[in-house]
Amino acid sequence: SQKIEQNSEALNIQEGKTATLTCNYTNYSPAYLQWYRQDPGRGPVFLLLIRENEKEKRKERLKVTFDTTLKQSLFHITASQPADSATYLCALPTGSGNTGKLIFGQGTTLQVKP
Amino acid sequence: NAGVMQNPRHLVRRRGQEARLRCSPMKGHSHVYWYRQLPEEGLKFMVYLQKENIIDESGMPKERFSAEFPKEGPSILRIQQVVRGDSAAYFCASSPPSRAGSSGEQYFGPGTRLTVT
Repeated sequence: SQKIEQNSEALNIQEGKTATLTCNYTNYSPAYLQWYRQDPGRGPVFLLLIRENEKEKRKERLKVTFDTTLKQSLFHITASQPADSATYLCALPTGSGNTGKLIFGQGTTLQVKP
Repeated sequence: NAGVMQNPRHLVRRRGQEARLRCSPMKGHSHVYWYRQLPEEGLKFMVYLQKENIIDESGMPKERFSAEFPKEGPSILRIQQVVRGDSAAYFCASSPPSRAGSSGEQYFGPGTRLTVT
């Protein structure tokens, strides 16, 4: 069955450093992959989408890579700030006929210390 | 443009009662998705609806759970005869027609936190 894995351990880094989060998937060939941010008590917020034919995507301090051979996406936050502290979720489309149904990883919690 | 709205934000029900969760998608969005997030677990897809149609309900429990998205009004997720295991955060998301089923992002509401006592 399709499976998404994110590092369940919290990632603690110092302000100003680059945070790198990993998303691995198996038994699956998605057309794209999405990253969301979720703060405690709130709904997820979309950050970035990367398609299968794209190797890398950037948005301000965010960078996402997508390696369909390794079945892995890396999510980078450069010059991290305490305000970046949150849980980050990767999501993949699934379902027959491209229904828009998403499956989510469990998320990795990032803590940026000042 | 208001975001996805969900109400109530918090709902307490006793075992055996019914829970009704409402979701108003963003303006112009005709596709609605419901997800459940249990404590310490990830988001789990439940159902995908378009106006007056259920497109994919593969994540819905077979019994006690139902969802609708009428022509007028919000989408409703209904849980009958709630049990303690139904306690969770329920999130609704919406997407515009041009992106649904292709590569569009989903816009999430703030969630309804259901507590069954």
